Amino acid sequence: GENVEQHPSTLSVQEGDSAVIKCTYSDSASNYFPWYKQELGKRPQLIIDIRSNVGEKKDQRIAVTLNKTAKHFSLHITETQPEDSAVYFCAVSKRNTDKLIFGTGTRLQVFP
Amino acid sequence: SAVISQKPSRDICQRGTSLTIQCQVDSQVTMMFWYRQQPGQSLTLIATANQGSEATYESGFVIDKFPISRPNLTFSTLTVSNMSPEDSSIYLCSVVDYWQGEQFFGPGTRLTVL
Repeated sequence: GENVEQHPSTLSVQEGDSAVIKCTYSDSASNYFPWYKQELGKRPQLIIDIRSNVGEKKDQRIAVTLNKTAKHFSLHITETQPEDSAVYFCAVSKRNTDKLIFGTGTRLQVFP
Repeated sequence: SAVISQKPSRDICQRGTSLTIQCQVDSQVTMMFWYRQQPGQSLTLIATANQGSEATYESGFVIDKFPISRPNLTFSTLTVSNMSPEDSSIYLCSVVDYWQGEQFFGPGTRLTVL
């Protein structure tokens, strides 16, 4: 079955710096790659996603890049702010299943 | 996006008992899922709740332990049966919004088993 690895497990940055989280997956049939942000005690919230026919997608300070050949995708957060502090999860799914396989999560701390 | 609610939001139960969690969506959805998030861990898919037929379980999860109902396109229940402390987790339902092709989560049910 699909295996999703996520790195790093924790990430501390200074406010204003950039943060990058990377995920690798094993199943070449995977074609949908969302990122979720989970604040303490809250549900996971979708922040950005990308599909296999696109290499990069950006939404204000957040961007996701996908390398299908190498089977990895990354979340980039620029100009980080303290409110970006949360746990971030990557996930993958295959066409026609919608079942999400999650990475292990990255705890991001942004220090003022 | 769809508005998803879950009941109860949290519960504390005794081992050996069962708890049924409800998930209600404000619009009809085809795909509905149940996930488990153990303390400090990631999310793991338990099963796909199929409307009008038996749920499809992932490896490591069985119907006797986690029976699921899906009587219509807006509602599903997950029962955690014969609970043990290892079942202490957050249980979340999710739905796929086909207009956007995105998956959204309910607020979760925090279960503690003593």
